Amino acid sequence: NAGVTQTPKFQVLKTGQSMTLQCAQDMNHEYMSWYRQDPGMGLRLIHYSVGAGITDQGEVPNGYNVSRSTTEDFPLRLLSAAPSQTSVYFCASSPRDSGANVLTFGAGSRLTVL
Amino acid sequence: AQSVTQPDIHITVSEGASLELRCNYSYGATPYLFWYVQSPGQGLQLLLKYFSGDTLVQGIKGFEAEFKRSQSSFNLRKPSVHWSDAAEYFCAVSGRYGTASKLTFGTGTRLQVTL
Repeated sequence: NAGVTQTPKFQVLKTGQSMTLQCAQDMNHEYMSWYRQDPGMGLRLIHYSVGAGITDQGEVPNGYNVSRSTTEDFPLRLLSAAPSQTSVYFCASSPRDSGANVLTFGAGSRLTVL
Repeated sequence: AQSVTQPDIHITVSEGASLELRCNYSYGATPYLFWYVQSPGQGLQLLLKYFSGDTLVQGIKGFEAEFKRSQSSFNLRKPSVHWSDAAEYFCAVSGRYGTASKLTFGTGTRLQVTL
């Protein structure tokens, strides 16, 4: 039972490059979300999805895109990386009957933008 | 807007001592409240949650938390800390499902356990 799988675990980018952080879950959870974690700021919601084909913005969506073509996958795209996007990114999922609030987290992806 | 305050950035306790981590929230209605724990290099894991009913909730690893509406608090407690409890702890608040289902996290409290 893999839970929530994030790839890659580590990535270094140059300013202006684009990349995709992958997130997959095998629990058939309807709700998926992306957070970024920065020192002293806790976790901030970037984007979330309540089901396949449905996405919405969170607290800090600028510079990121998401899509949800399947229940299992929820990739996060950085269109043109900036140093301010250096962070640790967490994907999380939740079943709808938990109120979409009882989250299972992936192990995180550490991104450095030079 | 909802918010969470964890006033203690870093706490150090001795193994075997009791622990209380503070959490204060701001929310206009009855909140859903959560405590998550993050071990080094790992994602967050749910410790316990409060939705309704008994204001004292039990979680995993021997943790408990008490919801006090009058104080807008949801403090986490453990009677006897183990060295493996060293981690970062996050309090979170959300609205009821269907209204504001997005979680708002506090900034975290890092727990150090001395032997």
